[in-house]
Amino acid sequence: DIQMTQSPSSVSASVGDRVTITCQASQHISNYLNWYQQKPGKAPTVLIYGAYKMETGVPSRFSGSGSGTDFLLTISSLQPEDIATYYCQQYDNLPYTFGQGTKLEI
Amino acid sequence: EVQLVESGGDLVQPGGSLRLSCAASGFTFSNFEMIWVRQAPGKGLEWVSYISVSGSTTKYADPVQGRFMISRDNARNSLYLQMNSLRVEDTAIYYCARVGRGVNSPFWGQGTLVTVSS
Repeated sequence: DIQMTQSPSSVSASVGDRVTITCQASQHISNYLNWYQQKPGKAPTVLIYGAYKMETGVPSRFSGSGSGTDFLLTISSLQPEDIATYYCQQYDNLPYTFGQGTKLEI
Repeated sequence: EVQLVESGGDLVQPGGSLRLSCAASGFTFSNFEMIWVRQAPGKGLEWVSYISVSGSTTKYADPVQGRFMISRDNARNSLYLQMNSLRVEDTAIYYCARVGRGVNSPFWGQGTLVTVSS
């Protein structure tokens, strides 16, 4: 199985900060990488798919990059509504494994 | 509007069975691979099962292998998860989701709660 390692596991930042979350795959997954946002008590929602493609309606301050084994989710200017836990998921090989999550606090 | 609506979650005793359903609308269901994902209370996301567009290929996470069965009815735009021999550790919110490919993004339902307790 492909292991997905996210870092950091939690991060505290201020409004307006640039925040970067990393996700590393244990083997090459091309661009088959999704990023999700999950707010407390809610279902996960898609932010980024295919490593860099932005889901419709997602604010432009979110961006995804990377390919192969190393990926980034960047929030260019943190907003209060971005408080959430963020997960990466690979869908190159079954099982479609998730990272352990990054809890973002302000 | 794309929608996935899960149902069938309930409180069940250990060793019991439950069948989850997921009703799809707003997209061509038969064109998409589908998965089930679960989230235990206070924990992260765990992939549970996968089914191909035709239903001919299925796969399961090791903890549910041999106890859960995924299926789909493309004529009814529906996905199912038959859960047998349920354990306390199966307690979770279960989400159905479509797999995104190419220009098509993934999409998740709102989830249904399964509680296994005596």
